[in-house]
Order: sequence, then structure tokens, then C-alpha cells
Amino acid sequence: DGGITQSPKYLFRKEGQNVTLSCEQNLNHDAMYWYRQDPGQGLRLIYYSQIVNDFQKGDIAEGYSVSREKKESFPLTVTSAQKNPTAFYLCASSKTGRTEAFFGQGTRLTVV
Amino acid sequence: AQSVAQPEDQVNVAEGNPLTVKCTYSVSGNPYLFWYVQYPNRGLQFLLKYITGDNLVKGSYGFEAEFNKSQTSFHLKKPSALVSDSALYFCAVIYSGGYQKVTFGTGTKLQVIP
Repeated sequence: DGGITQSPKYLFRKEGQNVTLSCEQNLNHDAMYWYRQDPGQGLRLIYYSQIVNDFQKGDIAEGYSVSREKKESFPLTVTSAQKNPTAFYLCASSKTGRTEAFFGQGTRLTVV
Repeated sequence: AQSVAQPEDQVNVAEGNPLTVKCTYSVSGNPYLFWYVQYPNRGLQFLLKYITGDNLVKGSYGFEAEFNKSQTSFHLKKPSALVSDSALYFCAVIYSGGYQKVTFGTGTKLQVIP
């Protein structure tokens, strides 16, 4: 089945640690996105990529980093510079930037 | 700049009654409009979209939405609500010109009461 897979589903991070969230898609989509979801705030765009080896900052990129070495993969690293990382993170992909997006099941990150 | 507003944090409706979830948008050109649904601790699922053409758009699970250019609205509707429709609903807009950055609303929680 085609789809988009995020792992892990739950992740715990100690203060000062970097952690990497995985996102893989087999839909052959060019565009991929990372969103952060906090209660009552909707989805906020962290980073997006329209093509391999290229990505752009979204609205809340500070404290995060990404790479796009393969079309299928768009991992997100939450660095120690992100002061409030506890949130639900959603990865998505789309054929182009103007078509509907397909979302993964999300990763819930908690700082302990 | 583009924006989308969902004025109601929560909508309650009795099972079997019609439901409406409101969305208004602001873009400087022609919009691409989307509705998504999210169940607890899950990702978003696409419901329907408006690109051009007929103002009434039909989507998944019996949902439909009406594009109203003069009121800059794109309300989600369903003639008869089911308890299983209870979820969080997001409206999203993309400006048709320039880079296609999508903006999401803050979401509306739909509660269908048995």
C-alpha cells in the first residue's frame, strides 16, 4: 500500500538532547512538509521541500533542521536549541504544492 | 499574505441533524481550498477541495462544501451527522500564484451527540 510513515509514534527526549523524527513516503511525491501541532493552534509549518536536496524554512524553523537526500525521505531533527519541543509532529507529502497533502500518523515528542 | 479562519472552536450537533463547520479565507488571488479531518492522535485525512468550477464540492464520507467568493467562505456541510463524524476539522488555503504555501486554520472540534 502506498502511504507515508512516521516513526517512532512516541518519543521522549531529555533536555539538551537532539532527536530525529523519521518520515518516509512511497507515493512518489515531490513535495514534503513538517508541521508542528499544539492544542488550539492548528498546524504550523516547520520546513518544506519541493525537490531532493532543497528545502525551505517555514514559519517556525528555529531549533529544527531537516535533510532531503532522497525523494522518499525527509527526516526532522529537533535540536537542543528548540526551547519548547513537546508537541505532536506531522509529516506530509503532496504531488505538488497545490494539491492535497497526505499525512503520516504523527510523532508525539515529550521532553522529560 | 494569506489566512484562514475557523470562527468556532467547537460545534455540537445531534445525530441525524445537518451539520455546518465554518471557514473563511483571505488571499490576494484565486484560492485553492481544502478540508481535512483528524481523529485523536492521528494524522490528517483529506476530505475535499475546491480549485475551480462548480461552487459545490462533494467529498468523502458524504461531506460537501460550498465555495462563496463574495463572502470568502468555504463552509463544510453534511446533511445528516453521524456519531462517527466526531473529530477535529481543519480548513486550509493555498494561494494560486507564487509559491504554493498552505495555511491551515486552527481547527473546529465537531461533537455529534447520540
